[in-house]
Amino acid sequence: KQEVTQIPAALSVPEGENLVLNCSFTDSAIYNLQWFRQDPGKGLTSLLLIQSSQREQTSGRLNASLDKSSGRSTLYIAASQPGDSATYLCAVRTLFSGGYNKLIFGAGTRLAVHP
Amino acid sequence: GAVVSQHPSRVICKSGTSVKIECRSLDFQATTMFWYRQFPKQSLMLMATSNEGSKATYEQGVEKDKFLINHASLTLSTLTVTSAHPEDSSFYICSARDITSGGMAGELFFGEGSRLTVL
Repeated sequence: KQEVTQIPAALSVPEGENLVLNCSFTDSAIYNLQWFRQDPGKGLTSLLLIQSSQREQTSGRLNASLDKSSGRSTLYIAASQPGDSATYLCAVRTLFSGGYNKLIFGAGTRLAVHP
Repeated sequence: GAVVSQHPSRVICKSGTSVKIECRSLDFQATTMFWYRQFPKQSLMLMATSNEGSKATYEQGVEKDKFLINHASLTLSTLTVTSAHPEDSSFYICSARDITSGGMAGELFFGEGSRLTVL
């Protein structure tokens, strides 16, 4: 059974800090891993998608890495800003027998960046 | 990125009534859409996979007669919560995959969510 864990559950930092959010998963049979941002009461915004054959993806101040064999991914946020405050969700597309696959989410990291 | 639209964004209803939530892919076609449920401060849990032109696939523990899913076209899926009760109050989010972009490994795009409150 695939389980996705995100650490820390919550994080509060001053503006300008570089941050690392962690995601671990128990089953390495994944298609890809996706990082999302969710603002309170809103849907999800896709940040980065890493295929199982890739090691990292970058978009602006965001960098995500994937180590499939150890079941880990990190989201690095450079020079954090108050506008980065949100919940960050990690999700893995997991393969099951018969070709069935689905996206399994972690519980998220609630980030607060204060001026 | 691709846009997925959900309507309504908020709905309040009386216990025993039925509520329909729409999920539309605005600028791409989606043969498959997904419906999730999220309780406060918890993560998203997949409820069902909606397949265009065929029956939805429900996750274990999800009542298919209570949560009716219809995927009538390549851009529209609907979730109907039948005979809603207060415990059905939750945040419902749909997602869709642009099948032309990466196939099964393609990126998922999510709607803005629909908050259902059952009195």
